[in-house]
Amino acid sequence: EAGVTQSPTHLIKTRGQQATLRCSPISGHTSVYWYQQALGLGLQFLLWYDEGEERNRGNFPPRFSGRQFPNYSSELNVNALELEDSALYLCASSLPGQGATDTQYFGPGTRLTVL
Amino acid sequence: DQQVKQNSPSLSVQEGRISILNCDYTNSMFDYFLWYKKYPAEGPTFLISISSIKDKNEDGRFTVFLNKSAKHLSLHIVPSQPGDSAVYFCAASDFTGGGNKLTFGTGTQLKVEL
Repeated sequence: EAGVTQSPTHLIKTRGQQATLRCSPISGHTSVYWYQQALGLGLQFLLWYDEGEERNRGNFPPRFSGRQFPNYSSELNVNALELEDSALYLCASSLPGQGATDTQYFGPGTRLTVL
Repeated sequence: DQQVKQNSPSLSVQEGRISILNCDYTNSMFDYFLWYKKYPAEGPTFLISISSIKDKNEDGRFTVFLNKSAKHLSLHIVPSQPGDSAVYFCAASDFTGGGNKLTFGTGTQLKVEL
């Protein structure tokens, strides 16, 4: 069974540009989560999508947005990039509707560097 | 405001011995706790979890202990193996806060030496 996949592996942008990161969940998983891991910090929750809807959002500015497509894949968009957006962005997926005990399965991440 | 804390950034243990990784949390609304393991260039992998209604959960070499009064949990690995060398993240879930949001600690780098 294929795991969570993310693309691209690495992304280099300059300040002010926009970045688009992509995630494909495990087959059968309808929930997709995005996390940011900046240097020296733990994973910070960004967004949770389920059945195409944004269900929860972490403490990030509105220039972090995303969407989930009908096939449950997801896109994270970061507008007006700032230097501190440089981080590893991890996507995770889980089975539908099991509540707080859903196990989240992570992809390998996209390393975003903002110059 | 770091609600989940792993105060030891690194831990070194001899092969065959016990590894004990610690985690503290401040939010009393957390009701489910997980440990993830992360190898370089890979995403975190789920290891073991525990509900707040339990104080111990065991899975093979891995045991997680929860002390709710102290807001502390620990992961015990016995016996430790070289393949266990990785970064271990403690995470907590607060479903009442809007579901499925995991709050992670900063991780502990475990090195198991031969």
